[in-house]
Amino acid sequence: AQSVSQHNHHVILSEAASLELGCNYSYGGTVNLFWYVQYPGQHLQLLLKYFSGDPLVKGIKGFEAEFIKSKFSFNLRKPSVQWSDTAEYFCAVRRGAGKSTFGDGTTLTVKP
Amino acid sequence: DAGVIQSPRHEVTEMGQEVTLRCKPISGHNSLFWYRQTMMRGLELLIYFNNNVPIDDSGMPEDRFSAKMPNASFSTLKIQPSEPRDSAVYFCASSLWATSSYNEQFFGPGTRLTVL
Repeated sequence: AQSVSQHNHHVILSEAASLELGCNYSYGGTVNLFWYVQYPGQHLQLLLKYFSGDPLVKGIKGFEAEFIKSKFSFNLRKPSVQWSDTAEYFCAVRRGAGKSTFGDGTTLTVKP
Repeated sequence: DAGVIQSPRHEVTEMGQEVTLRCKPISGHNSLFWYRQTMMRGLELLIYFNNNVPIDDSGMPEDRFSAKMPNASFSTLKIQPSEPRDSAVYFCASSLWATSSYNEQFFGPGTRLTVL
């Protein structure tokens, strides 16, 4: 079965630190990849997505992610985090039409 | 566009009562998803529909849970009878599905269910 692994369950950073959250998936075929963010008390919102083309995808709020097919990875990055980035981040993989499989999420806490 | 609409936003009920959660997807979207989120289990997909037809309900925990989508603009998730372990935030999401394009899901604000 397809699975999505987010290696870090909780990350704590100081403001201005660089961020990288790992995401690996198990499916070997064509996939669509997503990162969602859930701010405290809110619903999930899309940060960025990859369907095809340039493997380096830029999203909102300065986030980017790189699709490395050989490593089955789609890691999320941000060069300098802010306190307002405190949230839970979910990686999701969608194969064909239909449902997406979500990772367990990574909670990011940014200390001011 | 108003986005995905869920009601109620909060529900507190007693064990054994019937609970009905409602969702209105974004107009024009033809895929609808129900998720449950808890601290212990994270985000779980319960069921999803394409063009009002249930495609995969393998995530529905047990027979106490049922979901319907009578038309393209409305879906319900029902729990009967409810139990304290059903306490969670239930999210509805919709997306536009087509064979040639795959789009992200748009999530509703969620319904926070507490079963006493």
